Amino acid sequence: DGGITQSPKYLFRKEGQNVTLSCEQNLNHDAMYWYRQDPGQGLRLIYYSQIVNDFQKGDIAEGYSVSREKKESFPLTVTSAQKNPTAFYLCASSTGTVEANQPQHFGDGTRLSIL
Amino acid sequence: GQQLNQSPQSMFIQEGEDVSMNCTSSSIFNTWLWYKQDPGEGPVLLIALYKAGELTSNGRLTAQFGITRKDSFLNISASIPSDVGIYFCAGPPRSQGNLIFGKGTKLSVKP
Repeated sequence: DGGITQSPKYLFRKEGQNVTLSCEQNLNHDAMYWYRQDPGQGLRLIYYSQIVNDFQKGDIAEGYSVSREKKESFPLTVTSAQKNPTAFYLCASSTGTVEANQPQHFGDGTRLSIL
Repeated sequence: GQQLNQSPQSMFIQEGEDVSMNCTSSSIFNTWLWYKQDPGEGPVLLIALYKAGELTSNGRLTAQFGITRKDSFLNISASIPSDVGIYFCAGPPRSQGNLIFGKGTKLSVKP
């Protein structure tokens, strides 16, 4: 089945560690996105990529990094510089950009917790 | 930054009742999206609106793109227990290229 796969579902990080969250899509979508969700809050954009080998910072990029080496993959690294990383992380993709009025479709998320 | 104001924050209703929620913005939107999120899962797209004044239905759900382009409404008719979840509005304001989300309306349905 076509879709967006995020792994792992749950992730635990020790203080000072970097961790990488995986996002893979087989929908042949050009654009991919990472959001952070905190309890009682809406989604906030971390990074997005409209095309392979290109990405832009979102509203809360500090302490995060991404890469887009392949169309189907957009991993997110939560670095030790992110002081409050505990959250629910959501990956999304779309056939085009937001400007092209293409709705985003989401994976099932990764819940990151600090040990 | 720009924000979407979504109301109400939460609703507790009886099964069978109709539900109405709305989203407003201080800036103009070209697109309005409505998503539903179940606990521990990603949001699922319910309805997409692309034209001011547009009224679109998806089963028991109906959404409208406000004429002013600064608001949108979602109605659920004859609610059932599986309607429980958090409903988010989202859209790309003209001055920005990215999607922004409201804080959600949490719906609880009593059987």
